[in-house]
Amino acid sequence: GAVVSQHPSRVICKSGTSVKIECRSLDFQATTMFWYRQFPKQSLMLMATSNEGSKATYEQGVEKDKFLINHASLTLSTLTVTSAHPEDSSFYICSARPYMDGYTFGSGTRLTVV
Amino acid sequence: AQSVTQLDSQVPVFEEAPVELRCNYSSSVSVYLFWYVQYPNQGLQLLLKYLSGSTLVKGINGFEAEFNKSQTSFHLRKPSVHISDTAEYFCAVSLTIVAGTALIFGKGTTLSVSS
Repeated sequence: GAVVSQHPSRVICKSGTSVKIECRSLDFQATTMFWYRQFPKQSLMLMATSNEGSKATYEQGVEKDKFLINHASLTLSTLTVTSAHPEDSSFYICSARPYMDGYTFGSGTRLTVV
Repeated sequence: AQSVTQLDSQVPVFEEAPVELRCNYSSSVSVYLFWYVQYPNQGLQLLLKYLSGSTLVKGINGFEAEFNKSQTSFHLRKPSVHISDTAEYFCAVSLTIVAGTALIFGKGTTLSVSS
């Protein structure tokens, strides 16, 4: 149980376009989801925390207008990379906390902006 | 503030040898500690976690870790590694942030197992 499904797994987009990444909790309700970004050979950096029905909380240095987060239901959070540029190319991972002592991660999305 | 330091960026080891991946944390309060493994282009898989109780934690795939409060460490060990253990390993601490509680990761350790 406690599965988080993330789509797409890979996406290539042209510079200047927007890309939406979905994160769904399949068998539990997630009032809070977390979005991470991972550069090659580096760690996961927390970008933002999305909360169902309210605005996301962004970590310092993360552009709110570039990385739009929506958490419209208890099972879906989306991250939209707006006006993407090559420097936005990265591996994006979502996470949820189905229990007090555990976190579950999506399988990640490899974004390449050309 | 809480942070996680993984002391080794890369650990090469031969198959069937023992391995230890080091992790230190800094925190002024009780913490939850985790070890995750990541294979190329995949998400994270939980190896084990420490919440409370016994300081020796056993996880999946033969891994274990020991929580040492005095040394603020949570080192990951395996007595005999396999080629298939080659992956990236992340130590993480549960951190209280503005929005609640989230996992903060160390920089990762690349374990390379060769024959």
